[in-house]
Amino acid sequence: DQQVKQNSPSLSVQEGRISILNCDYTNSMFDYFLWYKKYPAEGPTFLISISSIKDKNEDGRFTVFLNKSAKHLSLHIVPSQPGDSAVYFCAASYSGNQFYFGTGTSLTVIP
Amino acid sequence: DAGVIQSPRHEVTEMGQEVTLRCKPISGHNSLFWYRQTMMRGLELLIYFNNNVPIDDSGMPEDRFSAKMPNASFSTLKIQPSEPRDSAVYFCASIDGSTNEKLFFGSGTQLSVL
Repeated sequence: DQQVKQNSPSLSVQEGRISILNCDYTNSMFDYFLWYKKYPAEGPTFLISISSIKDKNEDGRFTVFLNKSAKHLSLHIVPSQPGDSAVYFCAASYSGNQFYFGTGTSLTVIP
Repeated sequence: DAGVIQSPRHEVTEMGQEVTLRCKPISGHNSLFWYRQTMMRGLELLIYFNNNVPIDDSGMPEDRFSAKMPNASFSTLKIQPSEPRDSAVYFCASIDGSTNEKLFFGSGTQLSVL
């Protein structure tokens, strides 16, 4: 059963606008959440993470928000750039073991 | 560091053949994971090792799949016999167990079973 879900398979955004990618999880034991970015023919690369003791973490143009009561997290990219076009995976873990990933959201940033 | 190294990058084989995928984790990382990427399930965890010991193999789809980690610098994922539905991209990832902060992925093996 899928413990981490990304319900939007794809998203298109104009360059310069905000991209919002969403992720839901079912296991309340998860205490650490990550976002990975994947280009074609490459492995996923780490983008940003957040611990369950926080509700927001920011790194440059990327911000992750965590809503524990809703078991929901989101990734905001502002401003979006064409180079951000990739597949984004949400992941969750507990005690640093067994990282569970979602199905991914393909982001296209239109110049 | 060279990162996580996987081989081969591409593998094309015929149904019924044995397939072996290889992975070299980042030096010093003590946990290693095998994932399979499919459209339906995204990145699906197959098995993970901690200090060369398999901890959880509940994600391995069936007995045709097996994985080993004979030492800290090498792991294999074997499919015998292979079937067309095994076609996918297989990723290996490793993590520094002292921090458990993030997985580092290899470039993957694109497997096609005809």
